[in-house]
Amino acid sequence: GAVVSQHPSRVICKSGTSVKIECRSLDFQATTMFWYRQFPKQSLMLMATSNEGSKATYEQGVEKDKFLINHASLTLSTLTVTSAHPEDSSFYICSAKGDSYYGYTFGSGTRLTVV
Amino acid sequence: AQKVTQAQTEISVVEKEDVTLDCVYETRDTTYYLFWYKQPPSGELVFLIRRNSFDEQNEISGRYSWNFQKSTSSFNFTITASQVVDSAVYFCALSESTTDSWGKLQFGAGTQVVVTP
Repeated sequence: GAVVSQHPSRVICKSGTSVKIECRSLDFQATTMFWYRQFPKQSLMLMATSNEGSKATYEQGVEKDKFLINHASLTLSTLTVTSAHPEDSSFYICSAKGDSYYGYTFGSGTRLTVV
Repeated sequence: AQKVTQAQTEISVVEKEDVTLDCVYETRDTTYYLFWYKQPPSGELVFLIRRNSFDEQNEISGRYSWNFQKSTSSFNFTITASQVVDSAVYFCALSESTTDSWGKLQFGAGTQVVVTP
């Protein structure tokens, strides 16, 4: 149990375009979802926390207008990178947490390359 | 201030050697959770263990073992008889219980383990 599906796994986009990344909890209700970013050879940095039906809470230094997060249902959260630039190229990974147990389930990550 | 410190950037061992990864954490909470994750080259995070602050028992799972010491705020991880498949980056993480931190995982910098045949 506790599976999170994240896609796409890889995406290459042109500078200036927007990219949407989906994170779905397949067999549990994810009341909270977290979005992390990881640059090469670095650690995971939390970008934002989203609770179903409410606005996401962004970490300091993360641009809300650039990284749009939507958590419209208990099984789906999306991260949209708007007007992407090469410096946004990174590994993005989501994590979902349900109420039934204190644990986190991570998606498999999305490698975004902006050219 | 960094809450989770993994001082070892990279550890290289020969197969069958033991390897210990250090993790030191910092928190003022009395209730918190500690985690270890493995990240192979493919990128996905593999959950290894979760420990709550009230359970200081050491744990062994196959070739993996963990030593939790609240007195030194450490949660070290040992791989016994390492194998090439153990090559990965290992992250230690902390989740605190304060309202604005609840549920957020704070990761250490990670330790790259390289196991050569």
